[in-house]
Amino acid sequence: AQTVTQSQPEMSVQEAETVTLSCTYDTSESDYYLFWYKQPPSRQMILVIRQEAYKQQNATENRFSVNFQKAAKSFSLKISDSQLGDAAMYFCAYRPNTGNQFYFGTGTSLTVIP
Amino acid sequence: DTGVSQNPRHKITKRGQNVTFRCDPISEHNRLYWYRQTLGQGPEFLTYFQNEAQLEKSRLLSDRFSAERPKGSFSTLEIQRTEQGDSAMYLCASSYRQLTEAFFGQGTRLTVV
Repeated sequence: AQTVTQSQPEMSVQEAETVTLSCTYDTSESDYYLFWYKQPPSRQMILVIRQEAYKQQNATENRFSVNFQKAAKSFSLKISDSQLGDAAMYFCAYRPNTGNQFYFGTGTSLTVIP
Repeated sequence: DTGVSQNPRHKITKRGQNVTFRCDPISEHNRLYWYRQTLGQGPEFLTYFQNEAQLEKSRLLSDRFSAERPKGSFSTLEIQRTEQGDSAMYLCASSYRQLTEAFFGQGTRLTVV
């Protein structure tokens, strides 16, 4: 079974500080993609960052970076210099290269404290 | 291009009624997905289209649910004989074959009373 687990239902961070959101997944596939999506309240889900499993280098997008540990099936998101606009629900997602579905975790609600 | 568009944004219906939602994907995106999201949960896959062909359906998609994508453009999701358990946010997403990620619409929030 292909599952995605986010063990932190809620997280908080002080503005300008760094926070790390955890994600683990279970798959028997060797080629797949991992994503972090952000869903602000009452707004659409947008892509934050993606990682191809065949790439050893961790993806980075400005203040957002990931720590991808393929053997451990772990994919955490680090947000540096947190801003008020980062407050949202964050979903970790997985998509096998051979499949069509995206599998999502249950999300982590991030609060940014001014 | 303004992204994936879903209509209506909100729908309140009485139990037993039929409802239909529409999704307009980003133009030239040949892949279209429907997901359902309930409070406190991540999106759950419902169905997938490649062009006009419905290639995959979740077992969550009971026979009361039907989806179409005529001519490979917009898509509709119909729920017949709605039940209170159908209350959820219904999300549509699209992607282009060369892309790995999907782009989501704002969703249609269904409330069955």
